[in-house]
Amino acid sequence: GESVGLHLPTLSVQEGDNSIINCAYSNSASDYFIWYKQESGKGPQFIIDIRSNMDKRQGQRVTVLLNKTVKHLSLQIAATQPGDSAVYFCAENQAGTALIFGKGTTLSVSS
Amino acid sequence: GAGVSQSPRYKVAKRGQDVALRCDPISGHVSLFWYQQALGQGPEFLTYFQNEAQLDKSGLPSDRFFAERPEGSVSTLKIQRTQQEDSAVYLCASTIRGDRAEAFFGQGTRLTVV
Repeated sequence: GESVGLHLPTLSVQEGDNSIINCAYSNSASDYFIWYKQESGKGPQFIIDIRSNMDKRQGQRVTVLLNKTVKHLSLQIAATQPGDSAVYFCAENQAGTALIFGKGTTLSVSS
Repeated sequence: GAGVSQSPRYKVAKRGQDVALRCDPISGHVSLFWYQQALGQGPEFLTYFQNEAQLDKSGLPSDRFFAERPEGSVSTLKIQRTQQEDSAVYLCASTIRGDRAEAFFGQGTRLTVV
């Protein structure tokens, strides 16, 4: 079936580096995308979202890029901090359907 | 409360036992979602309520799973005759309205069936 997936299950970076987490989606009808952060023992926490009529959206230290041509979504975290260590999920949906989550990328930040 | 609250945080059930998991959404949030998250996986959709109406239950894995939200606020996910494959974290999320708003998740209930 169609689903959202992530390219790498793990990513290790040094504190202060920029991190890029990638996600490929297969449902061309999806028009809303969200990145979530999940720390151990906690529920997913909303980071940033983007709609398909945009290709870039910036938040505080985070940027989401959407490339609809190749169905690719990425999350960029600037100046990564140890507190950014978590599992990151991308999720997508179309109007009226539930969010579909990918399997997640575990980000480890070493100081 | 300030966030989505789920109880219990942990539940150990013997195979065949019935369990009930509770979700208190953020006050005023119209939409409520239940997800199942297996170890190392992303959350998978179970069911969706708008107020007290269950609009989508296509993700419920079997008829042993039942969810309700009788007054449009608190929701209960019930699993009858639990089986080992039901072991997972059950997450509840609420949004102000609909499936396009920012979803706030609870901490989840970790169910272990032994």
